[in-house]
Amino acid sequence: QIQLLQSGAEVTKPGSSVKVSCKASGGSISTYVIIWVRQAPGQGLEWMGGIIPMLGTTNYAQKFQGRVKISADKSTNTVYMELSSPQSEDTALYYCAKASETEVYFDHWGQGTLVTVSS
Amino acid sequence: VLTQSPATLSLSPGERATLSCRSSQSIATNLAWYQHKPGQAPRLLIYDASKRATGIPARFSGSGSGTDFTLTISSLEADDFALYYCQRRDNWPPMYTFGLGTRLEIK
Repeated sequence: QIQLLQSGAEVTKPGSSVKVSCKASGGSISTYVIIWVRQAPGQGLEWMGGIIPMLGTTNYAQKFQGRVKISADKSTNTVYMELSSPQSEDTALYYCAKASETEVYFDHWGQGTLVTVSS
Repeated sequence: VLTQSPATLSLSPGERATLSCRSSQSIATNLAWYQHKPGQAPRLLIYDASKRATGIPARFSGSGSGTDFTLTISSLEADDFALYYCQRRDNWPPMYTFGLGTRLEIK
């Protein structure tokens, strides 16, 4: 059973950058789509982008193009999400999730990482 | 776009809950439902519109195809009061969309 363990809560300043990790155990995630989703306070789930670690291919929601970088380290079974120039409205819970083999839905989720952007 | 209704549903334990999700384009049965509780990761309930995920109780069922989908909880238990999201995948460009959610609260 694959488990996704995310890095701990972050407090970051506006205009800096923040990087969150998602490490898998119990199986390799290299051939699966791994996505990042966030939930801002009082808001719903928002897809940010994803990666297939084996191929290194990424795609991003238009809203996050140029501001989010998703990467993977196959050797450690870990996926990363780096958010550049965060602003207060980026304060949110960030989740990673593994897609099914059909790449249509998400069957395993990380526990979430709270990112707080504050000066 | 995925439109979920109602935004909030107030019911009592033992009652039947019916949650709706409408897609702006036809997606066959490529729809999933998730349950989300505060402080927890979202939990996959239903995939391919009507298939229960592993370990999901039989009181949860999904139906629909094309543009209109329904999640039904046959008899609400205390543990079922949470946020519920539907989600679809778009083939091109490849992207994922979540609905805004339905909050199921105790009446």
